Amino acid sequence: AQSVTQLDSQVPVFEEAPVELRCNYSSSVSVYLFWYVQYPNQGLQLLLKYLSGSTLVKGINGFEAEFNKSQTSFHLRKPSVHISDTAEYFCAVSVDTDKLIFGTGTRLQVFP
Amino acid sequence: ETGVTQSPTHLIKTRGQQVTLRCSSQSGHNTVSWYQQALGQGPQFIFQYYREEENGRGNFPPRFSGLQFPNYSSELNVNALELDDSALYLCASSLRTGTHEQYFGPGTRLTVT
Repeated sequence: AQSVTQLDSQVPVFEEAPVELRCNYSSSVSVYLFWYVQYPNQGLQLLLKYLSGSTLVKGINGFEAEFNKSQTSFHLRKPSVHISDTAEYFCAVSVDTDKLIFGTGTRLQVFP
Repeated sequence: ETGVTQSPTHLIKTRGQQVTLRCSSQSGHNTVSWYQQALGQGPQFIFQYYREEENGRGNFPPRFSGLQFPNYSSELNVNALELDDSALYLCASSLRTGTHEQYFGPGTRLTVT
């Protein structure tokens, strides 16, 4: 079985500062990895995904993530955040059936 | 190209009642997945439908059931509602081409009193 751990429930950061949201996963088989963002009262939007190939993945809105197989991690980073990045961020894994297993989420709060 | 739509947006039900939630998948998508997101939690996989057949189910009791129609739209039915069923129900559609991209609707907020 697969599982996802998001180590930080909340991450406060000032505008224009860098941010890293941490995600670790557990699986006995190869997985696909995703980061989704959820703005208040909205559904989920895909930020980026890792299926194979380069371990550094670039997504929308200036976000990127690095897959580290030895550490079973897929941390999300942005070099300079904006107020508009305030949202809930979810890390997720899937195997081959498009069934997503999500972490509990990290609330990113950007302050002016 | 229209995105994933869900109806209704909100609804309030009483414990013991039954509810039906609806989802229209993105144009051309043949797979629909349903997720339950309790307050402050990540979404939990309920089940998935592929070409009108159930194709995987999460750890939810049989009172959670679904349907997928020939146009690939879908329904989620919940019988004998319990207070813990209060949550945001998300529908996601995809096209099983190996891209593993799911497109989520805005969700239906269900409150059980």
